[in-house]
Amino acid sequence: QSALTQPPSASGSLGQSVTLSCTGTSSDFGDYNYVSWYQQHPGKAPKLIIYEVTKRPSGVPDRFSGSKSGNRASLTVSGLQAEDDADYYCSSLAGNKDLVFGGGTKLTVL
Amino acid sequence: QLQLQESGPGLVKPSGTLSLTCTVSGVSIASSTYYWGWLRQPPGKGLQLIGLIYYSGRTSENPSLKRRLAMSVDTSQNQFSLRLTSVTAADTAVYYCAYMGPYVASFSSWGQGILVTVSS
Repeated sequence: QSALTQPPSASGSLGQSVTLSCTGTSSDFGDYNYVSWYQQHPGKAPKLIIYEVTKRPSGVPDRFSGSKSGNRASLTVSGLQAEDDADYYCSSLAGNKDLVFGGGTKLTVL
Repeated sequence: QLQLQESGPGLVKPSGTLSLTCTVSGVSIASSTYYWGWLRQPPGKGLQLIGLIYYSGRTSENPSLKRRLAMSVDTSQNQFSLRLTSVTAADTAVYYCAYMGPYVASFSSWGQGILVTVSS
């Protein structure tokens, strides 16, 4: 059982926006702002798309944005494209310094 | 450009030892100020952090695996390794090595992954 909770599936139509959630306890997020999001296509390694809650690594489109409020982190994908069809995982540096992951959300682009 | 490549047996017998090596290119482990990590993903399931290792050999292990886990680093070969003992079918997974840097608590570079099956 994953420490962080993500809905198993989500969907959105081409061009629309979708927000994926990642929830946990206050201990799961600690007093840090070290929430990351990863995108994983079938048979591929995960790819970092958001770090430190809101920041994007170089090369990641600004269609991807992150936020956090209380014990809930969110990833918003705007202007959905076909290539956004993938699994998305959140992770957080917990209060005890452990790195915890969510179970992942399968995003389907309709 | 940083690249990581996992290597090792794809099949391990139950109660045996799983041993993997990650070869790093493009960056010297010895000069890195960040951690290197092992993660795994059972078929159809989510990601699990196995452990982290620093160039000095300092490690941080997942508490649920600590009793069976050993990690090491060989800076002369620019490699780091994983040994997991007393494996069962529950250890069947794709194993990834990854670089936890330059962002805190985030893996910015990953190996392609290696499927390790525990079966007799």
